[in-house]
Amino acid sequence: EVQLVESGGGLVQPGRSLRLSCTASGFTFGDYAMSWVRQAPGKGLEWVGFIRSKAYGGTTEYAASVKGRFTISRDDSKSIAYLQMNSLKTEDTAVYYCTRVRWSSDFDYWGQGTLVTVSS
Amino acid sequence: DIQMTQSPSSVSASVGDRVTITCRASQGISSWLAWYQQKPGKAPKLLIYAASSLQSGVPSRFSGSGSGTDFTLTISSLQPEDFATYYCQQANSLPLTFGGGTKVEIK
Repeated sequence: EVQLVESGGGLVQPGRSLRLSCTASGFTFGDYAMSWVRQAPGKGLEWVGFIRSKAYGGTTEYAASVKGRFTISRDDSKSIAYLQMNSLKTEDTAVYYCTRVRWSSDFDYWGQGTLVTVSS
Repeated sequence: DIQMTQSPSSVSASVGDRVTITCRASQGISSWLAWYQQKPGKAPKLLIYAASSLQSGVPSRFSGSGSGTDFTLTISSLQPEDFATYYCQQANSLPLTFGGGTKVEIK
């Protein structure tokens, strides 16, 4: 059974940093791209970025709203994807979901989400 | 960026009704479209990919159609567990973008 479990969320002040983790199980983690999608309270879904598998260079892509502040990385030996969030803004407050990315660039498995609240 | 516009934003329907949700892309995306269902407090769930392919385990009352810029998600006979919010997502080009959502409510 595929499982994605996020951790690391919490309350953080504007301008500070936070790192989220996504621990995967039930599939060959290194074979897949992994992505982060967020949802602000009461709002819709927003793609944050993804990291390709090593077979495709392990490169990353980001939404314009987070580019230069957020970094996605992966540790295939541990089956973990990370989202490093720097220079956090109040508008980054959201539930952050880790997702597995299919060949068709959609998301077939999602974690339960972790809430990040950016507030002073 | 490709903008995804869903309509309606909400719909009230009864159990057994046929429900159709529309998603329009601001430019052509071939068949690179997915649909998700989200229930309150839960993660989204993939229903349809590549515009019309049913994800494994999803009931056959869900179907998708369309290509280019206009797409539909149809629930042929609404069940109590289908009351949720539905999102479309274009998978054609970066940045990946979602529609604003359609909330299906009990009439």
